[in-house]
Order: sequence, then structure tokens, then C-alpha cells
Amino acid sequence: AQKVTQAQTEISVVEKEDVTLDCVYETRDTTYYLFWYKQPPSGELVFLIRRNSFDEQNEISGRYSWNFQKSTSSFNFTITASQVVDSAVYFCALSEADNAGNMLTFGGGTRLMVKP
Amino acid sequence: EPEVTQTPSHQVTQMGQEVILRCVPISNHLYFYWYRQILGQKVEFLVSFYNNEISEKSEIFDDQFSVERPDGSNFTLKIRSTKLEDSAMYFCASTLSRGPGNTIYFGEGSWLTVV
Repeated sequence: AQKVTQAQTEISVVEKEDVTLDCVYETRDTTYYLFWYKQPPSGELVFLIRRNSFDEQNEISGRYSWNFQKSTSSFNFTITASQVVDSAVYFCALSEADNAGNMLTFGGGTRLMVKP
Repeated sequence: EPEVTQTPSHQVTQMGQEVILRCVPISNHLYFYWYRQILGQKVEFLVSFYNNEISEKSEIFDDQFSVERPDGSNFTLKIRSTKLEDSAMYFCASTLSRGPGNTIYFGEGSWLTVV
């Protein structure tokens, strides 16, 4: 069975601080996909990144970076120089290759509050 | 940029009433989904739909729920007799094709409040 754990329910930082959101997953599959989504106060789910289990290269996109470590089953998300607009709930999610239905299993989310 | 659109954005309904939530997936996408998020909780999978039939469904998706693609563009979720615990944000989503590596694009959600 697949499971995603985001242990940090809420994080509060001051603008320009760096912040890392943790994500730990469980799966029996050797092939799987990991995602991060952002949910701003308006409620929509915004896709941020997809990573497959065979690609452990870290990725950077502007102020965002992701650290995928299979050895610890983690896919952590770092925001550098945080801004007030980064305030949102961030969800990590997992999809297993055996799952033809494309079902995503979400973590419980981390609410990030960036204060000016 | 193509997007998934949902209507209504918010609906209030009386317990026991039927509700239909509507979605227009991205036009060339073939795989459609409904997810649910109870206030303050995680996003949960309800159902996936491909080639005019349900591909997979969760235990949440009981006989009170049904999905339909009535024409070439809309994808609907019907709740036959709403309960208080059906109050949630319902997200429609779509992907270009099958396979778990596809990015799932979500709509902005429909807030359902059952009173």
C-alpha cells in the first residue's frame, strides 16, 4: 500500500528565509512517481513538479528546489528566499506504476505561512 | 494555457438533495478524475474514468456517487442524496493518457456545502 507523510503540519517563516518542506513516502513498487502541488488560499491545486523513481537528480526551478533521496524515501522541497506569495498549503503526492488508474495518494499537506 | 474548468465554484444544498458537479477537462486529455478534500484535510481520490467507463474507484465512491461524460466535453459527478459529510471541495482533474507518469492537472474545485 502506498502512503505519503508530511510531518510538518504548519511552518511559519519570515520573508527571505529559506524553508524546507519534508515528504516521506512508502511504496512497494520499484517504479513510481512523486509530485508536489501548491494550494494557495484561493483553493486550486497547482502542479509544481513530477519526478520518477529512476531519476534521483535534484531539480532547481528558480527559488524552488527538490531533493529526492530513495535511500531515505524522501522527496523534500526547499523554497529559497521565501516570499509572502509562497504562503499556501503544499502537498506531496505519490503514484505507483502498477496503478493504471493514475491514482494519486496525497500527504496531509504542510501549511506554509510567510510573514513580511 | 489549457486548463480544467469546473462549475459551480460553490454550491449550498439541503441534505438529501441531488447535486451535479460539472467539469470540462483539457480538450485533448483522455483520462478524467474526481478527488475530494474535506476542509482542512488531505486530498482524496474518488474515481478515475477512461474510455467512457470507470477505471478505478475508492471506497469513498459508493452507490451515492456516479460519473458521466454526457457529451464530448463535459465530465460530471453526481451525488444522489447528499449527506452532511459530503461537504467538501471536489476537484476534477485530467491527464493526456494512461500511465502513472502523466501529470494530473486539477481544476479550481467546487465547494459543496450540505446543510
